[in-house]
Amino acid sequence: EAQVTQNPRYLITVTGKKLTVTCSQNMNHEYMSWYRQDPGLGLRQIYYSMNVEVTDKGDVPEGYKVSRKEKRNFPLILESPSPNQTSLYFCASSLAGPPFQGEQYFGPGTRLTVT
Amino acid sequence: SQQGEEDPQALSIQEGENATMNCSYKTSINNLQWYRQNSGRGLVHLILIRSNEREKHSGRLRVTLDTSKKSSSLLITASRAADTASYFCATAIFSGYSTLTFGKGTMLLVSP
Repeated sequence: EAQVTQNPRYLITVTGKKLTVTCSQNMNHEYMSWYRQDPGLGLRQIYYSMNVEVTDKGDVPEGYKVSRKEKRNFPLILESPSPNQTSLYFCASSLAGPPFQGEQYFGPGTRLTVT
Repeated sequence: SQQGEEDPQALSIQEGENATMNCSYKTSINNLQWYRQNSGRGLVHLILIRSNEREKHSGRLRVTLDTSKKSSSLLITASRAADTASYFCATAIFSGYSTLTFGKGTMLLVSP
């Protein structure tokens, strides 16, 4: 089944404790991205990757890191999480990047709480 | 910066009625996409309309695009309780800046 998976689905952590949210897709997609969703703000893009070893900042990259060592995986790293990073995070992938002639496939989401 | 803005923010209708949601945007686009999100779940792609298209259908969905007004509408006909969800428009801008920008969404409640 074609899908984007994220782990963990739920995470409660403390300020400053490094964490990684994994994302994997099995569709051989070139383009992957991370979004965060907050009430009243909609979805905002954090980072994206056009292909292996090619990543770039989205609208809200501060406090996050990513890597793309393999085509299928695109982990999101929070080196020192803070409470303002409490949010619902989505990973997405698509066959090709801009101008996005095709749909994006979204993962199920990771709900992160930083206390 | 927010590109697409949906209107209304929330819509409540009865089963069988039609639901119309609108999306306005600011800059020229390559295409516009509509997504649905059930509460707390991932977004699901519904339909994509290109800038040179004016109308597109998919099942009970009808999307229109008016590039002169920089607006799009999503019509769901004969709505069902299962259509209850948030609906987002996303605009793809054909430029060096690589992003698909989402609006804040319209929350649709369909009551039996």
